[in-house]
Amino acid sequence: ETGVTQSPTHLIKTRGQQVTLRCSSQSGHNTVSWYQQALGQGPQFIFQYYREEENGRGNFPPRFSGLQFPNYSSELNVNALELDDSALYLCASSSAGAAYEQYFGPGTRLTVT
Amino acid sequence: KNEVEQSPQNLTAQEGEFITINCSYSVGISALHWLQQHPGGGIVSLFMLSSGKKKHGRLIATINIQEKHSSLHITASHPRDSAVYICAVESGGGNQFYFGTGTSLTVIP
Repeated sequence: ETGVTQSPTHLIKTRGQQVTLRCSSQSGHNTVSWYQQALGQGPQFIFQYYREEENGRGNFPPRFSGLQFPNYSSELNVNALELDDSALYLCASSSAGAAYEQYFGPGTRLTVT
Repeated sequence: KNEVEQSPQNLTAQEGEFITINCSYSVGISALHWLQQHPGGGIVSLFMLSSGKKKHGRLIATINIQEKHSSLHITASHPRDSAVYICAVESGGGNQFYFGTGTSLTVIP
């Protein structure tokens, strides 16, 4: 059984660029949630995907979008990057959408300059 | 006002002390999660609970649904327990998540 993996580990982008972050869920999990954690802050919920459909969304603008693939891996896309998008982006997988234990990936640290 | 409030924000304890971290929430929940985050960012799920109490080793988590309050207890604390502990609630049938700002725990030998 493999754990949750994320790529890349670190990324530096320029303001205005676009970025794609990737997450492979734990074997057997069909739900992936994405979180943004700014330095010194708690995580903020971006959105959740369940069986390839967006299943919930936090207070993030539309330039944050996602996808989930048939193998339940997921992408987070951020367009028109802003300096405030610099953060650790975490994904977590779980079974069946709700009220199941979340397994977190190591995160992708994005720096926008 | 945040949907999830944690206290204390920072906590320093001597090795062996009993530690309590509190979490209060204002939304209806499907489940409440206690998470541990070490320097560098890695997050580990400690507990997920929707009622009662759970115990794992030296860690105990309780929840009172009526009072909208949960506590994480660490017995016989150890320096390796030093980390940030985060309370998170699932709401809206599980498709919304709200996080506390975390409690930074330092256990001194």
